[in-house]
Amino acid sequence: DAGVIQSPRHEVTEMGQEVTLRCKPISGHNSLFWYRQTMMRGLELLIYFNNNVPIDDSGMPEDRFSAKMPNASFSTLKIQPSEPRDSAVYFCASSLRGMSNQPQHFGDGTRLSIL
Amino acid sequence: DAKTTQPPSMDCAEGRAANLPCNHSTISGNEYVYWYRQIHSQGPQYIIHGLKNNETNEMASLIITEDRKSSTLILPHATLRDTAVYYCIVLNQAGTALIFGKGTTLSVSS
Repeated sequence: DAGVIQSPRHEVTEMGQEVTLRCKPISGHNSLFWYRQTMMRGLELLIYFNNNVPIDDSGMPEDRFSAKMPNASFSTLKIQPSEPRDSAVYFCASSLRGMSNQPQHFGDGTRLSIL
Repeated sequence: DAKTTQPPSMDCAEGRAANLPCNHSTISGNEYVYWYRQIHSQGPQYIIHGLKNNETNEMASLIITEDRKSSTLILPHATLRDTAVYYCIVLNQAGTALIFGKGTTLSVSS
């Protein structure tokens, strides 16, 4: 079975550029999560969706970050404009909400470097 | 969600059982205990979860004390590929976010 698919795997871009990260959750899952991992802060939640609706975006750093989930099989995380401090690994995860506490399954992440 | 406490690091010899402890003394009655691990540069990998009964799957066993204030993840025959950071997390339902602490870095050596 296909797991959570993220693209690109690596992204290197210059400060000020727009960055778009993509995620395809596991088919049938109705919850989707975006996490960010840095050495300083560890793994932290940015935002999550249930049934394509954003539920908690309190972890989104600032207005430069935005996330969308136009349908059940696709989500994007956009940073505009990007800054060097946004450099991190971004993970997407999905789960099946309301079904006997099914676990979250993570993608392989996008390693983002802002120069 | 309840907080958890884990030792920062542990060592284990290859082929031996690795027993990773976790304290969650403020856990509520409806909160599950989840274990994930993260192998360097990969996404976190789900291992096992439980509510109050002991659980076993193909990867590991989870032992939860009767008062549910602590648990132990057991890797019965550790291999070098089990070297990773192991996270113990409690939460009350699927579809809510995981809160990751610092976890336990398990080093398996030959």
